[in-house]
Amino acid sequence: EDQVTQSPEALRLQEGESSSLNCSYTVSGLRGLFWYRQDPGKGPEFLFTLYSAGEEKEKERLKATLTKKESFLHITAPKPEDSATYLCAVQGISCGGSNYKLTFGKGTLLTVNP
Amino acid sequence: GAVVSQHPSWVICKSGTSVKIECRSLDFQATTMFWYRQFPKQSLMLMATSNEGSKATYEQGVEKDKFLINHASLTLSTLTVTSAHPEDSSFYICSAITVGGTGGLFNQPQHFGDGTRLSIL
Repeated sequence: EDQVTQSPEALRLQEGESSSLNCSYTVSGLRGLFWYRQDPGKGPEFLFTLYSAGEEKEKERLKATLTKKESFLHITAPKPEDSATYLCAVQGISCGGSNYKLTFGKGTLLTVNP
Repeated sequence: GAVVSQHPSWVICKSGTSVKIECRSLDFQATTMFWYRQFPKQSLMLMATSNEGSKATYEQGVEKDKFLINHASLTLSTLTVTSAHPEDSSFYICSAITVGGTGGLFNQPQHFGDGTRLSIL
């Protein structure tokens, strides 16, 4: 069964203080790893998809990286508007089952103070 | 340009289960895609030729009921290994050719994905 563990559960940063969020996963095979941002009371907003180890993607102050065991979401010089819960999900290979299932981690609540 | 994306890059499954491998042409339309299999220290062996919207053409000795190929669109072909057994463990790789090339089918370069390492326990 696919498993996703995110750490830390919560992270407080000062504006401009760069840091990284971790997503460790276990799958029998990986179709893709997804990062989402979720604001309170709203659905997840898609950020990145990573498919292969070594792959990196960037968007504004965010950069996602992937290895065979984990993914990092690096936040450079964050601003208060980056405060949100960041979710990591994997789409694993299902041996005989659904090929579209996403397994989510519990998320990291990021708070960026001005 | 001419990027072919293949997923997953690796998968481990138990004997008897089915596994689907996807091959996508990211920045071009591919009327024809090819599926290969490579055993350790051996060359790539063509398994089948997949044409969009029609049935795949299988090479001699390749079981069409075991290796199901679907080419439903100009950018996606899938290979499903059904009821996989340890002897099906191999490196599967796809390739695609572009639409509208100046040469015929055999003159156009094939663009390869990065392959899928399938391990059946």
